Amino acid sequence: NAGVTQTPKFQVLKTGQSMTLQCAQDMNHEYMSWYRQDPGMGLRLIHYSVGAGITDQGEVPNGYNVSRSTTEDFPLRLLSAAPSQTSVYFCASSYSKLAGVRTGELFFGEGSRLTVL
Amino acid sequence: QQPVQSPQAVILREGEDAVINCSSSKALYSVHWYRQKHGEAPVFLMILLKGGEQKGHEKISASFNEKKQQSSLYLTASQLSYSGTYFCGTAQGAQKLVFGQGTRLTINP
Repeated sequence: NAGVTQTPKFQVLKTGQSMTLQCAQDMNHEYMSWYRQDPGMGLRLIHYSVGAGITDQGEVPNGYNVSRSTTEDFPLRLLSAAPSQTSVYFCASSYSKLAGVRTGELFFGEGSRLTVL
Repeated sequence: QQPVQSPQAVILREGEDAVINCSSSKALYSVHWYRQKHGEAPVFLMILLKGGEQKGHEKISASFNEKKQQSSLYLTASQLSYSGTYFCGTAQGAQKLVFGQGTRLTINP
C-alpha cells in the first residue's frame, strides 16, 4: 500500500517554464488537496478536490491549476513559474469529503521541493 | 484565514510539559493537530470536533472550545521523540482545512 505518492521529489525550473507536480493515492480517498510550505508561513492551501470532476480554490490559488479526472490522481500545474513559487509542495488526501468529521485525517505525501530561478 | 498559534517556539528539557495554543477568528467545524519532523511530511495526531471534546494520543492530549474558537495541545512528560513542528488545522467550512504557521518544539536531554 503506497499511500500518497508525489513526483518529482526535486525540480529546478527557470522563470516562465511550466511543469506539473503529480500526486496519486491508492486509498480510494474522496478528498485531495495541495499545500505549499514556506519558512515561517506554515502550510497554505492551494487547491482542493472533494471528488472526481470537482475542484475548488484554497488560500493561495493564483498561478496554479488543478484538475481531478480520476479518484486517484490530482496533478498541480504551474503554467508560468515565478521565483515566488519556490517552495515545498505537499499533496494530502482524506477518506472523507468533510474536514469536520472524525474520518477527516489527512495523509500527506513526502513532498516535492521546487526551486524557480 | 490562517489560525494563529502560540508560542512560535518552545525549548524544553526531557520530562517537562508544554502547551501549544491555536485560535481562529472564524467559526470552526473541527480542529486537527499534526506534527512534522525536519525534512518529513506532517503526521496526523488527532482531530477534535464540536462539543469541547478532548482527545488523547499517548501523552499528548488536546481540547477544543468552539465558543472561543480555540484549541490547545498538551504535551506531558515530554520525550525526545516529541521534537518537531506542531501545526493546528482548522476546518473553515466543511471542506477546507487551513493550517497555522506552526510551533517549533525542541526537547533537550
